[in-house]
This record gives sequence, structure tokens and C-alpha cells, in this order.
Amino acid sequence: EVQLVESGGGLVQPGGSLKLSCETSGFTFSNYWMTWVRQAPGKGLEWVAHIKQDGSEKYYVDSVKGRFTVSRDNAKNSLYLQMNSLRAEDTAVYYCATEGGWGGFDYWGQGTLITVSS
Amino acid sequence: VIWMTQSPSLLSASTGDRVSISCRMSQDISSYLAWYQQKPGKAPELLIYRASTLLSGVPSRFSGSGSGTDFTLTISYLQSEDFATYYCQQYYSFPRTFGHGTKVEIK
Repeated sequence: EVQLVESGGGLVQPGGSLKLSCETSGFTFSNYWMTWVRQAPGKGLEWVAHIKQDGSEKYYVDSVKGRFTVSRDNAKNSLYLQMNSLRAEDTAVYYCATEGGWGGFDYWGQGTLITVSS
Repeated sequence: VIWMTQSPSLLSASTGDRVSISCRMSQDISSYLAWYQQKPGKAPELLIYRASTLLSGVPSRFSGSGSGTDFTLTISYLQSEDFATYYCQQYYSFPRTFGHGTKVEIK
């Protein structure tokens, strides 16, 4: 059974940092592009970051460039999102997901809530 | 950036209705489009990829069509479990982008 489990969420002050983790099992992690998607309260889905199977390519939405860093550890079947200089507008549920070979995000975690507030 | 216009934003319908949701792209994306269903408090679920291919296990009342810039998700016979929010998403290029969502509610 495929499982993705996010952790690391919580309340953080503006300007602070957090690191999210996504532990996976049930599939060959190193074969997949991985992604982070977020959803602000009551809003739609927003793609945040993407990382290639070997970590050699990374892509970000403009609003997080220079502040967020996506990484992975294929030996640990884990995906990470280092978030620095957090802003109120980063408040959201953050999901990790796989991008299937034919496209589309086919497996998702349950999400972890980040609240940026003083 | 590829901009997406998803419509309508709200769709009121009854069980048994046939409903359609449109997604229009700002440029040609061939068939690199996915559709998702999301229920409150849950992660999204992939329904369709490559514009028209149903993920295994997705009921056949769901269908996707289109290519290039215009795409449609159709639910042929709405069931109670289909009341949810639906999103389109392009994966032709980065940044990946989602439509703003269509909430399908009970009339």
C-alpha cells in the first residue's frame, strides 16, 4: 500500500523557518518526480515545488523562490521542504504528492498545516 | 506561465444530472491535463490524466475530453458521492498550475 505521511507543520512567527518532511512507503520512491502542493484555508490548490528523481532538477512557484528549498533522500524514501522567511500568506495545508509517469499527481499525503502568525 | 480559466466556479445540480466543467488554457498544452476531486478535509484525488484517461478504479460516469487549449470534465449521472470540488491542472510545463476549482453542490 502506497503511503505518504507529512510532518513538521505547526505555528510559526512571520520571518521564521520550518522544515516539512514527507515519509513514503509502498512504491519505489527513487523512480518518481515528487511535488509539494499547498492549500490556504478555504482556497484552491497551489503547486509549490517539484524535484526530479535524482534531485538534479528543482522548480518552484515564483512566490517561494529564494525562500523555500525542496530536497529528497532516496535512501530514506523521504521528501523535504525547507521553508525560510515565512509570511502570513504561506499559511496553508501542505501536501506532498508523486507525479505519475503519465502525468498528474497520483498519490498524496494527508497534509500538514502551517500557520504563520504572531 | 500557463493561465487556466476553469468554469463555472459553482455548479448546483441534482442526483442523476449530467454536468460538465470547462478548463481553458492560455496556450496549447496538447493533452497534458489532469482532473482531481477533493472533498472537505481530504487530500485531492486524481481522476483523469492525459485529458481523457481514467485512473484505475474511477467510475466510468466520469469522462474527460479536449486537447490543445479547451478541456471538459463530464459526470454523466451525478451520484451523491460526487458532490465535491473539482480542479484541473496542467503538467505541460513549469510552473505547474491548477484551475481555481468548481464546487459541485446539491441543488
